[in-house]
Amino acid sequence: EDQVTQSPEALRLQEGESSSLNCSYTVSGLRGLFWYRQDPGKGPEFLFTLYSAGEEKEKERLKATLTKKESFLHITAPKPEDSATYLCAVEKEGGATNKLIFGTGTLLAVQP
Amino acid sequence: NAGVMQNPRHLVRRRGQEARLRCSPVKGHSHVYWYRQLPEEGLKFMVYLQKENIIDESGMPKERFSAEFPKEGPSILRIQQVVRGDSAAYFCASSLWDSSYLHTEAFFGQGTRLTVV
Repeated sequence: EDQVTQSPEALRLQEGESSSLNCSYTVSGLRGLFWYRQDPGKGPEFLFTLYSAGEEKEKERLKATLTKKESFLHITAPKPEDSATYLCAVEKEGGATNKLIFGTGTLLAVQP
Repeated sequence: NAGVMQNPRHLVRRRGQEARLRCSPVKGHSHVYWYRQLPEEGLKFMVYLQKENIIDESGMPKERFSAEFPKEGPSILRIQQVVRGDSAAYFCASSLWDSSYLHTEAFFGQGTRLTVV
């Protein structure tokens, strides 16, 4: 069964304390893996797409990496404004574009 | 530069009533997707539409739920005879079509929070 599992469910960091969020997936053929950020009461905001193992992408304090079984979202020196729920999703080969399978997210809280 | 617009933001319906959720995609986007987010659960795909066509409705419940994306106007997700279990946040997303099939990411709206009482 296709599945996306994110860990930890929740993470509390001090400002400046770097860490990583994990997304492990089992799908029958991966077309792409996506990271989104979701603030309370808002819709998901696109961050990154990764297509192949070994690929890395960066944006400000965030860096996403991909292996054949999992992806990591590394947060370097986080700030309070990075507090949000981070969602991971996969798109299967042969499936409709943007038909995404989401994990349940990691709730990140960054304290000043 | 308006993003995906959904309305209403909040909708309260009594059991048995109909709910209509509207989604206007980003200008120029011809692909629309509906997702549902139940409390404590992840986003679940419901349906993928292009103008006047349903491309993939594999995530739609077989009864009471329907979706359309007419040639003119917003996409509509319609839920007939709502039940308590339909209470959730419903998100719409849109994307461009890329003929080279490089992936074009989906942009999400703010969602409609449906409460069935």
